[in-house]
Amino acid sequence: GAGVSQSPSNKVTEKGKDVELRCDPISGHTALYWYRQRLGQGLEFLIYFQGNSAPDKSGLPSDRFSAERTGESVSTLTIQRTQQEDSAVYLCASSRDRVAEQYFGPGTRLTVT
Amino acid sequence: GDSVTQMEGPVTLSEEAFLTINCTYTATGYPSLFWYVQYPGEGLQLLLKATKADDKGSNKGFEATYRKETTSFHLEKGSVQVSDSAVYFCALSENNTDKLIFGTGTRLQVFP
Repeated sequence: GAGVSQSPSNKVTEKGKDVELRCDPISGHTALYWYRQRLGQGLEFLIYFQGNSAPDKSGLPSDRFSAERTGESVSTLTIQRTQQEDSAVYLCASSRDRVAEQYFGPGTRLTVT
Repeated sequence: GDSVTQMEGPVTLSEEAFLTINCTYTATGYPSLFWYVQYPGEGLQLLLKATKADDKGSNKGFEATYRKETTSFHLEKGSVQVSDSAVYFCALSENNTDKLIFGTGTRLQVFP
């Protein structure tokens, strides 16, 4: 079946602009996660959804970052007033429930110029 | 806070060589431990996992043993293939939490 998909695959934006990144989880997966990987670093946890509620937003780096999820479906990560340090690969993962294996999407590479 | 440290790469080996990629962790509780792999052009995939001390995870010829006394989860394979060339990530998840904490990744390059 289809895996986790993310769009766009690449995004180049100017400093100060807002961007929206999209994640389509595997159908039926109730849990959804966003991670960020900056160049040469490990993946950093950003936010976790169970259904459409977000019990853990502890990894969001600033109030410029927000995320939503529609039911147990698509999620969008929004970064307002982008900065150069936001340049990274943003990865989405989904799982059947909160303790199951996480399946990762291919990521969105964001470059802020 | 919890953290994962893994050896820096790249690790460069000839086909059929023995592989070890070191991983150690710091955690306040009793985490589950994972190795994820990212093949070129593909997304992260779970390679193996272990959920308690002395458990051994294994898959595709790779093995890792959860060592509580040394807080380690080293990845090993007896005979690597060119197709094993990828980036390998060690990760942990604290019991009853939902997020994965990753190491920085180790690139493995296997030459014929």
